[in-house]
Amino acid sequence: AQSVSQHNHHVILSEAASLELGCNYSYGGTVNLFWYVQYPGQHLQLLLKYFSGDPLVKGIKGFEAEFIKSKFSFNLRKPSVQWSDTAEYFCAVNARGGYNKLIFGAGTRLAVHP
Amino acid sequence: DTAVSQTPKYLVTQMGNDKSIKCEQNLGHDTMYWYKQDSKKFLKIMFSYNNKELIINETVPNRFSPKSPDKAHLNLHINSLELGDSAVYFCASSHPHSSGRETQYFGPGTRLLVL
Repeated sequence: AQSVSQHNHHVILSEAASLELGCNYSYGGTVNLFWYVQYPGQHLQLLLKYFSGDPLVKGIKGFEAEFIKSKFSFNLRKPSVQWSDTAEYFCAVNARGGYNKLIFGAGTRLAVHP
Repeated sequence: DTAVSQTPKYLVTQMGNDKSIKCEQNLGHDTMYWYKQDSKKFLKIMFSYNNKELIINETVPNRFSPKSPDKAHLNLHINSLELGDSAVYFCASSHPHSSGRETQYFGPGTRLLVL
């Protein structure tokens, strides 16, 4: 069965600090990978996604993620965070041909202090 | 313009009651989903419909019954509510599921509290 692990449950940073959130998945086949963000009081929205090709993908708001197949990882990065990045971040995976069934990680709560 | 909407936003009810949550999308998508987010923020898929046909049905108690009157709507009916049903329920939609590459667009969530 597929599973997704997000190692950092709670991250606290100061503005302008760099961010890296870890995500590892467990699945033997080909997967599609996603990062979603949930700002306080809002619905989930897509930050970025990876299907194939260049393993470094860029998303909205300056976020990027790198797929490392050998490590089954898809870590999210941002060089300089802002207070407005305070949110919950979810990594998700689905198997190719698997009815778009997203398996989510437990989420990482990011708090950015001014 | 609201893409995926859910009603109600909040629902407080007693154990044993039956309640429904409605979801509508105006994105022209064929596939809709229900997810449950528990108190620890863990999101888990419950159901998915493609063009009114059930395609994903996770191990959810049969007290939960999804209904899709048309491809723009996917409602969730819950019978005999239990304390453990308290959660935030998210509806989502996407273009057809065939490749798995389709972005899912989420609604604002319905916060259900069972007393």
